[in-house]
Order: sequence, then structure tokens, then C-alpha cells
Amino acid sequence: EAQVTQNPRYLITVTGKKLTVTCSQNMNHEYMSWYRQDPGLGLRQIYYSMNVEVTDKGDVPEGYKVSRKEKRNFPLILESPSPNQTSLYFCASRTPGGVNTGELFFGEGSRLTVL
Amino acid sequence: KNQVEQSPQSLIILEGKNCTLQCNYTVSPFSNLRWYKQDTGRGPVSLTIMTFSENTKSNGRYTATLDADTKQSSLHITASQLSDSASYICVVTSNTNAGKSTFGDGTTLTVKP
Repeated sequence: EAQVTQNPRYLITVTGKKLTVTCSQNMNHEYMSWYRQDPGLGLRQIYYSMNVEVTDKGDVPEGYKVSRKEKRNFPLILESPSPNQTSLYFCASRTPGGVNTGELFFGEGSRLTVL
Repeated sequence: KNQVEQSPQSLIILEGKNCTLQCNYTVSPFSNLRWYKQDTGRGPVSLTIMTFSENTKSNGRYTATLDADTKQSSLHITASQLSDSASYICVVTSNTNAGKSTFGDGTTLTVKP
């Protein structure tokens, strides 16, 4: 089954304790991205990756890091989480075919609470 | 600045009724527009895609329209069902900048029995 898998789905942590949210896709997609979703603000892009070892900032990259060492995985790293990073996070990969047709496939989301 | 605005913010209808959701965008240059459905606590799922040359596209009870001149799209839901209760997100993708997608804030639809 084609899917994007995120872990953990739920996490409560404390300020400053480094954490990593993993994302894996089994569709061999080159493009992957991370979003956060907050009430009233919609989905905002954090980072994206066009291919292995190629990453770039989205609209709200501050406080986050990513890596793309292999095509299937795109982890999101919070080096020193703060309460304003409490949010619902989504990872997505995109079908090939160029920008004219690419459909985003989203994971189930990771709800993060930073105390 | 590229923007996508959706209206209404929320909508409550009775089961079996029709409804129309609106999306206005300023994304340029335009590549495509997708409507996504997001059930509570789940990731968004694509319903339809509209490219520049398309005016109307249907997916079951969902019909999307696009007016590229006025930069407006609508999503019409026919004979609504309880399972249509969800957030509907309009996403417009640019033809440049690595195909960046701009997301609307979504319309929350509640279908009541």
C-alpha cells in the first residue's frame, strides 16, 4: 500500500529537549516536504526536499532542521523545542510528472506538545 | 505575495443538501489548483486537480470549477452525506520556485442529519 508514515503520532516533551519526527514514504517520490498546521492558520511549509541531499527552507523554517540522506526518509529535527512549536505536523511526498500534475500525499500527522 | 483565500470559513448544512465552497487566489504564474479533503485528525487527501485549460472537473458528488481569468475556483458538493463533514482545503501551485504550493486556510463543513 502506498503511504507516508510518520512517527511518533503523538508526543509531549519539554522545552529544550531535542526530538526527531521521522517520515518515510514507499512511493519512490523525489519531492518531500514538512508542514505545520495551527488553528486558524492553515498548513504552512517548514522545509522541502527536491531530492536526496537537496533541501530548502519553506515559509516557517526557524527552529527546525531536516536531512535527506536517502530518498524514502525525510526526518524533521527540533534541536531545542519551544512552546511555540506546539502544533500538528504533516509530512508529504509528491507524485512525479512535474509541477503541473504533482499530487501531495500526506502522512497521518504528528501532534507535538512542548511544555 | 501569493495568497489563497477560502470562504466561508465554516458551513453547516443538512444531510442531502448541496453546498458550494469558494477559493480565490493570487498565485502567479499559475500551474494547477487542487482541492483536498481533510478529515479530523487525518492528513489531507486530494479530491480534484484543475489546470489552466480546465473549467470543470467532477469526482463523484464533488464538482470543481475554475475561472483562470478571475482567479476563482469553487467546489460544489451534491447530495451531501454525513461523511462529507471535514475541512476542505484549496491548494494552488506555482509554475516556478520548485512548484511551491500555497494553501488556503480551509472551509470546515459540518453535515447534520
